[in-house]
Amino acid sequence: GAVVSQHPSRVICKSGTSVKIECRSLDFQATTMFWYRQFPKQSLMLMATSNEGSKATYEQGVEKDKFLINHASLTLSTLTVTSAHPEDSSFYICSASERDGYYEQYFGPGTRLTVT
Amino acid sequence: GQNIDQPTEMTATEGAIVQINCTYQTSGFNGLFWYQQHAGEAPTFLSYNVLDGLEEKGRFSSFLSRSKGYSYLLLKELQMKDSASYLCGSMDSNYQLIWGAGTKLIIKP
Repeated sequence: GAVVSQHPSRVICKSGTSVKIECRSLDFQATTMFWYRQFPKQSLMLMATSNEGSKATYEQGVEKDKFLINHASLTLSTLTVTSAHPEDSSFYICSASERDGYYEQYFGPGTRLTVT
Repeated sequence: GQNIDQPTEMTATEGAIVQINCTYQTSGFNGLFWYQQHAGEAPTFLSYNVLDGLEEKGRFSSFLSRSKGYSYLLLKELQMKDSASYLCGSMDSNYQLIWGAGTKLIIKP
């Protein structure tokens, strides 16, 4: 159980365009979802935390107008990278928490974004 | 400030035992997590400790000392597939995970 999917797994886009990444909890209700960014050989960097039906809480230094997060339901959160630039190229990973038990985060498989 | 320290890289031999240490300083504490991450993949959950002591789960064990702000992950009977990065994460009072930079474990035959 506790499966999280992410779509797409890889995306290449041109500079200036927008890209939407979906994160879904397949067999549980995710009260809280997290969006991370990871550069090669570096740790996960939390971008934002989102709770269903409310606005996301962004970490310091993360532009909320550039990285739009929508947590419309208990099983779906989306991250839209607007007006993407090459420096936005990264591995984006979402995770979801049920908020019960261990507060364990279940990770999606990640999305590799390349902006050309 | 909040800080998680773990070694950058470790090397061990197939079949041996390795211990990966982690020290943490967070605002409040709601548990210590260990995750395994293979290159290019998302992390997968290994263990969670919130009380002092050793938790054993197959070949992997995790230890916590809250008074010392210290945890370790112990891997026994190492296999080549255990080559990965191991992330230590401390959950603070806001239930936010603070991550270490990860320890890259290299297993040699």
